[in-house]
Formats: sequence, C-alpha cells, structure tokens
Amino acid sequence: EDQVTQSPEALRLQEGESSSLNCSYTVSGLRGLFWYRQDPGKGPEFLFTLYSAGEEKEKERLKATLTKKESFLHITAPKPEDSATYLCAVQFSGSARQLTFGSGTQLTVLP
Amino acid sequence: NAGVTQTPKFQVLKTGQSMTLQCAQDMNHNSMYWYRQDPGMGLRLIYYSASEGTTDKGEVPNGYNVSRLNKREFSLRLESAAPSQTSVYFCAVLFAGTDTQYFGPGTRLTVL
Repeated sequence: EDQVTQSPEALRLQEGESSSLNCSYTVSGLRGLFWYRQDPGKGPEFLFTLYSAGEEKEKERLKATLTKKESFLHITAPKPEDSATYLCAVQFSGSARQLTFGSGTQLTVLP
Repeated sequence: NAGVTQTPKFQVLKTGQSMTLQCAQDMNHNSMYWYRQDPGMGLRLIYYSASEGTTDKGEVPNGYNVSRLNKREFSLRLESAAPSQTSVYFCAVLFAGTDTQYFGPGTRLTVL
C-alpha cells in the first residue's frame, strides 16, 4: 500500500533555530513529490515540486530535497511568520495527477 | 487561491439533510478535485474530474456524489449527511501543462 509519513507531527523552534521536516514514502512509481504550506483556516499553498532523487528547490528560507525514499524540507533561520502546517504529497505514475498526502507537520516558530 | 472559489465557507447541517458544495475556477483547466481534511489524517481524495462531463472516485467516495456539467464548475453533493462527514472540504484545480494542484479556501462543514 502506498503511504506517505511525515515527521515530526509538531515542531517548536526559536526564531533563527534551523531544522528539517521529513516526508518518507513507500510507493511504486513516483511521478513527483509536492510540498505545501497551510495556514489555519486556509487552503494549502503550493511551495515546491520535486521529481527525481538529488533534486533540490529553494524559496527564501526553505529548501526541499528528495532521495529515493524521502524528502526533507529544511528551514534556515526561521521567523515567526514561517509558523504553519507543512504538507507533503506524492503523485504516482499513471494516476490522473492524484495526490496522496501525509498528515502534516505543524511548525511553530517562537520570537 | 489561484482563482479557485468555494461556497459556502461554513455550513451546519442536521443528520439526514442534503447540501451541495460548489467549486468554481476562473481559468480554463481540465482537471478538478475534491478532498476532505480531518485532524491527524491529512487530505483525502473524494472524487476527481479529468475533464468536463467525466468524474472518477477517489479514496473516500462513499456518501458523496459529484457533478461536472461545465469546465468551470465542479460540485460535491451530500444526499443524506452523517456526523462522519463533518470535515473541511477543499477543491483543487490542476494547472494545465503542470502537475501542480492549486487549492481553494475550503468549506467547513459540521453535521449534527
């Protein structure tokens, strides 16, 4: 069974304290891996797509990386405005671009 | 929300009542999706539509029906609501030429 697991479930950081979020997956035929950010009461907001092992994408303080079994979202020197839930999703080859989501990591950055 | 609108934003129903959640895009993309989001379970796909007039079941379709009468709109109907359908519902659109889905703002539904 295809699965997507995110860890940790929740993470509290001090402002400026860098860390990483993990997304591991067991899937046959990965087409792409997606990262979204979700603020309370809002819809998920697209951040990155990764397609192949070794690929990296960056946006401001965020960098996403991909291996054959997992992806990391690295947060460098976070600020309180980075507080949100970060969702990972995988898309399988042959599917109608369907996404399977992990349950998310709730990040809190304290000032 | 990338031109994806959902109505209503909030709704409270009694068990057995019916209602339709509406999703509309102001672009011309083919594929649209309905998800539900429950605490600790992430988003789960209910139904999707690859093009106007076509729909397919996702992971959790029981208790729901959908309709894609035109390219712009994709509706989700609960014929007889149950407390287990209390959730936040999101519509998403696949941007043409990409693999990326963009989400609407969501509908928070409570079934008493």
